[in-house]
Amino acid sequence: EVQLVESGGGLVQPGRSLRLSCTTSGFSFGDSAMSWVRQAPGKGLEWVGFIRSKAYGGTTEYAASVKGRFTISRDDFKSIAYLQMNSLKTEDTAMYYCPRGIDYFDYWGQGTLVTVSS
Amino acid sequence: EIVMTQSPATLSVSPGERATLSCRASQSVSSNLAWYQQKPGQTPRLLIYGASTRATGIPARFSGSGSGTEFTLTISSLQSEDFAVYYCQQYNNWPPWTFGQGTKVEIK
Repeated sequence: EVQLVESGGGLVQPGRSLRLSCTTSGFSFGDSAMSWVRQAPGKGLEWVGFIRSKAYGGTTEYAASVKGRFTISRDDFKSIAYLQMNSLKTEDTAMYYCPRGIDYFDYWGQGTLVTVSS
Repeated sequence: EIVMTQSPATLSVSPGERATLSCRASQSVSSNLAWYQQKPGQTPRLLIYGASTRATGIPARFSGSGSGTEFTLTISSLQSEDFAVYYCQQYNNWPPWTFGQGTKVEIK
């Protein structure tokens, strides 16, 4: 069974940092691209970025709204994807999901809530 | 950035009736379009990819069509569990991938 579990969310002040984790099981993580998608409270879905598998260079792409502040990485030994979020803004408040895939997303976790507020 | 526009914002349908949801792209996305369902308090669920291919385990009452800039998600006979918000997403031109704002399907 494919499982994705996001963790690491919480309340953080503007300008601070937070690292989210996406712990996976049930599929070949090392062969999979992983993405991050967020959803502000009561709003729609927003693509944040993705990381390719090592076979495709493990490179990353980001939305303009987070580029330069957020970094996606992966640990293929632990089957975990990470989202390092720096210089957080109030508008980064959202539920963060780490779905599997690079274009469309076939498996999603339950998400982790990040609240940026003073 | 490609803008995805969904219509209507809310669709009121009686159980057993047909629902037709539309998604328009600001420029061609070929057939690189997906549809997701999200119920309140739940995670999004992939329904359709490649504009018309049902994802694993998705009932046949869900069908997708279209290409280029105009797409449709049809639910042939609405069941109680189908009342939810539906999002389209293009993955043709990146970055970024973009989603529509969603269509809420509610009970009439």
